Amino acid sequence: EVQLVESGGGLVQPGRSLRLTCTGSGFTFGDYAVSWVRQAPGKGLEWVGLIRSRLYGGTIEYAASVKGRFIISRDDSKSIACLQMNSLKTEDTAMYYCIRGLTIPGAKYWFDPWGQGTVVTVSS
Amino acid sequence: DIQMTQSPSTLSASVGDRVTITCRASQSISNWLAWYQQKPGKAPKLLIYKASSLESGVPSRFSGSGSGTEFTLTISSLQPDDFATYYCQHYNSFPVTFGGGTKVEIK
Repeated sequence: EVQLVESGGGLVQPGRSLRLTCTGSGFTFGDYAVSWVRQAPGKGLEWVGLIRSRLYGGTIEYAASVKGRFIISRDDSKSIACLQMNSLKTEDTAMYYCIRGLTIPGAKYWFDPWGQGTVVTVSS
Repeated sequence: DIQMTQSPSTLSASVGDRVTITCRASQSISNWLAWYQQKPGKAPKLLIYKASSLESGVPSRFSGSGSGTEFTLTISSLQPDDFATYYCQHYNSFPVTFGGGTKVEIK
């Protein structure tokens, strides 16, 4: 079964950092992009960023709202991807989902499956 | 950025009803559109990709259509398991964006 599991969420003060980890199983992790999407309480879905597979250069895209603060990385040898969140703001409070990115060669990405999510709360 | 607008935001329907949800893009996205279903407390689930391609394992009562800027998700005969929130997502370019969601409620 293809599965993604997020970990590392929690309560953090504004301005501090937090690192989320996504562990994949049931598929060849290195062959796929990994994306992060978040959902603030009671709100809709907001794309955060994506890291391509090594086949497509391992390049990274970010949403404007997190660019310069968040960093996505991956370690295919461990089947993990990470979301390093720095300079956190209260508006970053959300459920964070890790998702496998499916593509038609390297340019267009849709998302399946989604992990169960991990909650990040930014509050003093 | 491409904006995705869904309508309606809430829809009340009965079991057996035919339901249609609309998603409009602020500029042409060809057929680079996906639909997701989200139930309360759960992660979203992929239903449709490339506007009309049914994801494996998704019941055939779900269908998608459209291209360019206007798209629809249709549930041919609403089942009790289908009461949920539905989101469209374009993936024509980065940043990808989601519609605001359509909540399908029991009438």
